[in-house]
Amino acid sequence: NAGVTQTPKFRILKIGQSMTLQCAQDMNHNYMYWYRQDPGMGLKLIYYSVGAGITDKGEVPNGYNVSRSTTEDFPLRLELAAPSQTSVYFCASSYHEGAPLHFGNGTRLTVT
Amino acid sequence: KQEVTQIPAALSVPEGENLVLNCSFTDSAIYNLQWFRQDPGKGLTSLLLIQSSQREQTSGRLNASLDKSSGRSTLYIAASQPGDSATYLCAVHRDDKIIFGKGTRLHILP
Repeated sequence: NAGVTQTPKFRILKIGQSMTLQCAQDMNHNYMYWYRQDPGMGLKLIYYSVGAGITDKGEVPNGYNVSRSTTEDFPLRLELAAPSQTSVYFCASSYHEGAPLHFGNGTRLTVT
Repeated sequence: KQEVTQIPAALSVPEGENLVLNCSFTDSAIYNLQWFRQDPGKGLTSLLLIQSSQREQTSGRLNASLDKSSGRSTLYIAASQPGDSATYLCAVHRDDKIIFGKGTRLHILP
């Protein structure tokens, strides 16, 4: 199993551009999460999904959108990139509520 | 609102010492608590998960305890090694959300 795969690993965007961060897992996990990690701020939950077709907002959803059309994929969309979205983004998954959480290696995004 | 706090933010100890990392949370109604390790520039690796009905979990030199009533968990590392240097994060699971502490940055001095 590859586990949780995130692409790209690095990306530089100009202000106002859009992009999609990809996340895929091959463990048949129902729950998937997107976090951002800023220096000294810990991980903040952006969006999460408890299954295909179901998504919900986390602590910091503004400026982002998600979709969950399949169990395997959970892409995160930035429509109008802003410098405040410069961060490291992590995708994670778990089989069910309360099960161990598995992380991808992250996407480092810079918006200039 | 659930808040998770980890103190200290950073810790340096000589190699070979035993050490304890702390995690506290404000809402005791949790499903479980999970400890992670994060190396610089990397993702998070799960170390231990303690179910809400459990008091502790052990894996090798690591032992994690959970006291729900006091809202506290500790991660005990025995006989520390330079390879243990990393940031350690705790996270509490409740409902559909998982809330993280900011982590403790551990440096083991050779």
